[in-house]
Amino acid sequence: EADIYQTPRYLVIGTGKKITLECSQTMGHDKMYWYQQDPGMELHLIHYSYGVNSTEKGDLSSESTVSRIRTEHFPLTLESARPSHTSQYLCASSPGLPSYEQYFGPGTRLTVT
Amino acid sequence: EDKVVQSPLSLVVHEGDTVTLNCSYEVTNFRSLLWYKQEKKAPTFLFMLTSSGIEKKSGRLSSILDKKELFSILNITATQTGDSAVYLCAVRESGGSNYKLTFGKGTLLTVNP
Repeated sequence: EADIYQTPRYLVIGTGKKITLECSQTMGHDKMYWYQQDPGMELHLIHYSYGVNSTEKGDLSSESTVSRIRTEHFPLTLESARPSHTSQYLCASSPGLPSYEQYFGPGTRLTVT
Repeated sequence: EDKVVQSPLSLVVHEGDTVTLNCSYEVTNFRSLLWYKQEKKAPTFLFMLTSSGIEKKSGRLSSILDKKELFSILNITATQTGDSAVYLCAVRESGGSNYKLTFGKGTLLTVNP
């Protein structure tokens, strides 16, 4: 059973607000990922990290930023939310070699009004 | 262009039917293909395939990979209403320390009683 948590699960917020989506895992995984998923669409990788103090942008351009100060924690921040940021955000982690399986958190559904 | 293409995009069957979901991919340096099941929330891991022709099986689900023709299929026999979900296919490319996955749009399976 994977232990990866995301908070909040649902968030409705006004335009211009700063928000931070939290993601934590207790499995000691080095690799962590943030995906954005719109209804009926594929998961798009927006950020990833292969370890503490290491972050990279993913395949889909995003105005969000991430940090990785601790192994277990990988928060995502939007400095100024806009309606175009409305989406589901999924966090995942993986142990890397020999298993590349990614374990997903329950997701945060963000609505920006 | 899409690197991972799943078909059909949606499928409606009756309990007891057998279904076959398809995933074709086009990547430069294929390393592995993963299948996930996504219900309302987080995707959960089903299978990882790296070698052609070797079937992976778990209960009523099975999957096989064809690296020559660049596709995989996921079979579900004797479907149940609990199998209703989006089934996601993802591909990992090799090279360096690449742990990223590229996802297809998914197949929405609805199993009616």
